[in-house]
Amino acid sequence: ETGVTQTPRHLVMGMTNKKSLKCEQHLGHNAMYWYKQSAKKPLELMFVYNFKEQTENNSVPSRFSPECPNSSHLFLHLHTLQPEDSALYLCASSQDPSGGVYEQYFGPGTRLTVT
Amino acid sequence: GQSLEQPSEVTAVEGAIVQINCTYQTSGFYGLSWYQQHDGGAPTFLSYNALDGLEETGRFSSFLSRSDSYGYLLLQELQMKDSASYFCAVREDSNYQLIWGAGTKLIIKP
Repeated sequence: ETGVTQTPRHLVMGMTNKKSLKCEQHLGHNAMYWYKQSAKKPLELMFVYNFKEQTENNSVPSRFSPECPNSSHLFLHLHTLQPEDSALYLCASSQDPSGGVYEQYFGPGTRLTVT
Repeated sequence: GQSLEQPSEVTAVEGAIVQINCTYQTSGFYGLSWYQQHDGGAPTFLSYNALDGLEETGRFSSFLSRSDSYGYLLLQELQMKDSASYFCAVREDSNYQLIWGAGTKLIIKP
């Protein structure tokens, strides 16, 4: 596997379910991100991890819980979601941006539908 | 507040040239990025401008004017495969965050 992978690619869950999204990066990067993408809206940054430490939590509801056990893996635990949480959830990774060109590498995303 | 403005949709003809503009209002500025996203796909990096001027990479070029808080992506010799959404994003400070525009859907007609 190369790049950034995400599983599952599609997920349908009820509002009372608990599920987890998984992201893995094979690029040796030190930062990982969770984004929410809704139609015709800017990407919303949810969480940032730098060297496994959470550095940003952009006012995300507690029904979303991130976990970063090491610099290659990132999880997003979901529980008691709402229908408005239906969206594409993207994982990304990057190297230290201090080196100049700053590029984020994205996974294919998980299409989440909350019923 | 922080905001990036870009057109929601642009239509062009195959073989033509198209320019997608982006204006930004942020508290700081380190650089402007452009990403491409095909329907059902992941955003992929196109370019990053930290300094004023034009950067060229094949058929794609990106321009930045920091004094005008403005940039654009120029696509030449358009091909049908260029039909996608294009996002501008600003790196506002020394941390890892990007602030994103809402994206421009590029429609290419034969």
